[in-house]
Amino acid sequence: SQKIEQNSEALNIQEGKTATLTCNYTNYSPAYLQWYRQDPGRGPVFLLLIRENEKEKRKERLKVTFDTTLKQSLFHITASQPADSATYLCALDEMDSGYALNFGKGTSLLVTP
Amino acid sequence: KAGVTQTPRYLIKTRGQQVTLSCSPISGHRSVSWYQQTPGQGLQFLFEYFSETQRNKGNFPGRFSGRQFSNSRSEMNVSTLELGDSALYLCASSLRDRQFFGPGTRLTVL
Repeated sequence: SQKIEQNSEALNIQEGKTATLTCNYTNYSPAYLQWYRQDPGRGPVFLLLIRENEKEKRKERLKVTFDTTLKQSLFHITASQPADSATYLCALDEMDSGYALNFGKGTSLLVTP
Repeated sequence: KAGVTQTPRYLIKTRGQQVTLSCSPISGHRSVSWYQQTPGQGLQFLFEYFSETQRNKGNFPGRFSGRQFSNSRSEMNVSTLELGDSALYLCASSLRDRQFFGPGTRLTVL
């Protein structure tokens, strides 16, 4: 069966450190992978998209890697801040046309001062 | 531009009733997707509409249906509500592979 797995346990790190979140998938052939941030009571907010032919993508303090052989994506937040505390979701889309994102259940990140 | 709006924000219904949720996408976005979010199952894709046509569909029973109007606004309907339908229903409009989510409608079924 198809699965998208993210660290189920919350990740607690100190301000200034690098947070690394993992997304593993099985039985998918994604055209691309996306990362979203979700705060309590709000809809997810798009952060980064990486395509199957890309190895790494960066945006400000964020970095995503995508290894289609390992079927894994890593999401890094460098110089983390308390404002980065949220749940982070990875999502895959296999569709040739349109959108039908399959989401992991998310990893909760807590950055403490 | 205004973001994705969803109405109502909160809804309480009883088992067996039906409900209609509304979504207004960002101006210019023609694709609207619907998702159900529960603590146990996470975010699950319901369906996607583009130019008034359902383009993709998730694995939900026929009680869940939707439509899209010519102005890209979308509605989803759930008939014969069950307790397990209690969830946050999220709508997203799309542009170039990015999805922009609304704040969601929190549905509670008693």
